[in-house]
Amino acid sequence: ELKVEQNPLFLSMQEGKNYTIYCNYSTTSDRLYWYRQDPGKSLESLFVLLSNGAVKQEGRLMASLDTKARLSTLHITAAVHDLSATYFCAVTTSGTYKYIFGTGTRLKVLA
Amino acid sequence: KAGVTQTPRYLIKTRGQQVTLSCSPISGHRSVSWYQQTPGQGLQFLFEYFSETQRNKGNFPGRFSGRQFSNSRSEMNVSTLELGDSALYLCASSLGLAGYNEQFFGPGTRLTVL
Repeated sequence: ELKVEQNPLFLSMQEGKNYTIYCNYSTTSDRLYWYRQDPGKSLESLFVLLSNGAVKQEGRLMASLDTKARLSTLHITAAVHDLSATYFCAVTTSGTYKYIFGTGTRLKVLA
Repeated sequence: KAGVTQTPRYLIKTRGQQVTLSCSPISGHRSVSWYQQTPGQGLQFLFEYFSETQRNKGNFPGRFSGRQFSNSRSEMNVSTLELGDSALYLCASSLGLAGYNEQFFGPGTRLTVL
């Protein structure tokens, strides 16, 4: 069964600092997604990563995918308060084609 | 382009009752998936419907059921509600099967079971 783990689960960081969220998954996957969720709100799509070595950037967020290591990273550069949210990765499984979500990382950026 | 809509946004029910939630996908999207989100269990996949057929199912009891109509709108039903069914229920739509396509999420229905 595919398992998706994120770490850290909670992250409190100062504005202006850099940090990385990690997403590990246990079996071969076709594609990987990153989502953001604000408190009480729905999920907003951030990135879709389709192949090994894929890198995508939007503003202060950059996501990458290493399919051999079964690892994706979401790097935050010079964090600002507006980035405070919960970030989820999700992978689709080869064969069953289900979306499996990670545990989520709750990010709090302190002014 | 309108996004995914869900109704109602909030519901309060009592144990033993049943509830029906509705989801309208983005126009042109043929797949609708349902998820349950709770603080303890996180985001859990319930089921996916594509072309009016259930294509995938998560590990939930038979009290949870769904259906999809010819216009791709979907409903989810929970019978004999339990306290543990209190959750945010999210619906997501995609052009094709979720395993091959990006999903877009609705605002959710927050269900409280008393």
